[in-house]
Amino acid sequence: AQSVTQPDIHITVSEGASLELRCNYSYGATPYLFWYVQSPGQGLQLLLKYFSGDTLVQGIKGFEAEFKRSQSSFNLRKPSVHWSDAAEYFCAVGARGYSTLTFGKGTMLLVSP
Amino acid sequence: KAGVTQTPRYLIKTRGQQVTLSCSPISGHRSVSWYQQTPGQGLQFLFEYFSETQRNKGNFPGRFSGRQFSNSRSEMNVSTLELGDSALYLCASKEEVTGNTEAFFGQGTRLTVV
Repeated sequence: AQSVTQPDIHITVSEGASLELRCNYSYGATPYLFWYVQSPGQGLQLLLKYFSGDTLVQGIKGFEAEFKRSQSSFNLRKPSVHWSDAAEYFCAVGARGYSTLTFGKGTMLLVSP
Repeated sequence: KAGVTQTPRYLIKTRGQQVTLSCSPISGHRSVSWYQQTPGQGLQFLFEYFSETQRNKGNFPGRFSGRQFSNSRSEMNVSTLELGDSALYLCASKEEVTGNTEAFFGQGTRLTVV
């Protein structure tokens, strides 16, 4: 069975500082990996995805993530955080041809002035 | 293109009642999935429909059901509502269940059971 662990429930970052959100997955084959962001009371917005190829993927809003097979990780990064980035971030994994995504519990990002 | 549309956005129901939620996928998308989001359990997969057929089902009781119409619109139904069914119900659509596709989510329906 596949699973996703986001070890940090909350993270506080100063505006302008860099950000890294951790994600570890468990899956027997090469996974499809995703990062979604959710603002309060809203749905999920896709930030970026990894299917194959280059292990460093670029997404929207200046986010990037790196797939490390040896560490079963897919950490999300941003060089300079803006106050509007405050939200909850979810890492998800799916199989090739997936019909279901398995999500982590999410990391709430707080941005301090 | 319009995004995934879920209606209604908010619902308040009484225990024991039933409820129907609706999801209109992005035009051209044939796969529709439903997820339940609660503070305690997080995001959990309910079921997925593709071309009017249920392709996959999560671990939820039979009170939770769904269907998909020929225009790919989907509905989910919850019968005999319980307090624990209070949640944000999210619908996602994909172009097709093959290869490199991503799921796009709607804004969700917030169901409160009192």
